[in-house]
Amino acid sequence: NAGVMQNPRHLVRRRGQEARLRCSPMKGHSHVYWYRQLPEEGLKFMVYLQKENIIDESGMPKERFSAEFPKEGPSILRIQQVVRGDSAAYFCASSPPSENTEAFFGQGTRLTVV
Amino acid sequence: GDSVTQMEGPVTLSEEAFLTINCTYTATGYPSLFWYVQYPGEGLQLLLKATKADDKGSNKGFEATYRKETTSFHLEKGSVQVSDSAVYFCALSDVSSYKLIFGSGTRLLVRP
Repeated sequence: NAGVMQNPRHLVRRRGQEARLRCSPMKGHSHVYWYRQLPEEGLKFMVYLQKENIIDESGMPKERFSAEFPKEGPSILRIQQVVRGDSAAYFCASSPPSENTEAFFGQGTRLTVV
Repeated sequence: GDSVTQMEGPVTLSEEAFLTINCTYTATGYPSLFWYVQYPGEGLQLLLKATKADDKGSNKGFEATYRKETTSFHLEKGSVQVSDSAVYFCALSDVSSYKLIFGSGTRLLVRP
């Protein structure tokens, strides 16, 4: 059973471009979470999704950021018109559809905006 | 709001030394507490957890006790190995919440 797969591992974008980060959850997991880690800080919750539904996006910046988890395919975190302050590590985690179960993390995508 | 504070790193130890990484939390309810570890180039892995006061989580020689009176969950290991070199994150989640609130992480470097 493969773990949570994130790609790309490293992404470089120029200011104003779009960044797309992908996350394939573990097999059987229908819950996906995105976290962001700014340099020298802890991980901060961004969004919680289930298949085709956004459950909680209270940690998402109001503009330029969006997330989806379609019926088929990976979850996508999309950042439009990136700025230098978006440079961070973005981690995805997944869990099965049960309460109080462990979330498994991917290796993260390190976004650098130049 | 809820928060987690952990000691700043890096922590540098010699092999077989005793390890303590301090973690304290602020929460309005009765959270579950976690330690995650991130080895170089890898994602976060759950190291241990405790779900109620006085519980002790343990794994791979690491231990942490949920201390409600001091709102702490310090990570300890009696004898560290070079392979323990990693970044350690303390985290909490509310009983009814899926969100994890993380500390800023503590980098541990163990020298042979």
